[in-house]
Amino acid sequence: DGGITQSPKYLFRKEGQNVTLSCEQNLNHDAMYWYRQDPGQGLRLIYYSQIVNDFQKGDIAEGYSVSREKKESFPLTVTSAQKNPTAFYLCASSIAVAGDNYGYTFGSGTRLTVV
Amino acid sequence: AQSVSQHNHHVILSEAASLELGCNYSYGGTVNLFWYVQYPGQHLQLLLKYFSGDPLVKGIKGFEAEFIKSKFSFNLRKPSVQWSDTAEYFCAVNARTGGSYIPTFGRGTSLIVHP
Repeated sequence: DGGITQSPKYLFRKEGQNVTLSCEQNLNHDAMYWYRQDPGQGLRLIYYSQIVNDFQKGDIAEGYSVSREKKESFPLTVTSAQKNPTAFYLCASSIAVAGDNYGYTFGSGTRLTVV
Repeated sequence: AQSVSQHNHHVILSEAASLELGCNYSYGGTVNLFWYVQYPGQHLQLLLKYFSGDPLVKGIKGFEAEFIKSKFSFNLRKPSVQWSDTAEYFCAVNARTGGSYIPTFGRGTSLIVHP
């Protein structure tokens, strides 16, 4: 079955450490996205990528970095510069046909806790 | 930049009551509109979407939404809710910016349906 796989499901990080969240899709989708979900704040866009080797900052990119070396993979690194990293992180992908997006497929998320 | 407002943050209904969740967006150009649902412990799932054509869109599980361009609104409705509709609902907008579609989500509305 096609879908998006996020790993790990739960992640604990010590303060001052960088940590990388994995996102892999086998849907042959061109576009991939990272969102952060906090209670009462909905989904906020961190980074997105419409094509391999290219990505754009979203609304809350500070303290995060991404790479898009392969179409299937869009890992997110939460750096020590992110002041409040404890959150639920969602990865999504979508078809990008001539600039149109047809809705998103979401992964199951990674809950990151800084201890 | 576009924004999405969901005015109802928490809604509590009894079974068989009618539901309407508000969604307004701020963007004057071409938009694609979505409603997503997140059942407790599950992925975000697409409920319905609007791209063009008939402004009354029917989705899964008896939900529908009406796009009113003059009011920049895309409200979600269901004539008779069930206990199983308890979930968080997110309105989303794709607005075309410089050749790309930039996705923005609302803060979400938590719906609790009492049996």
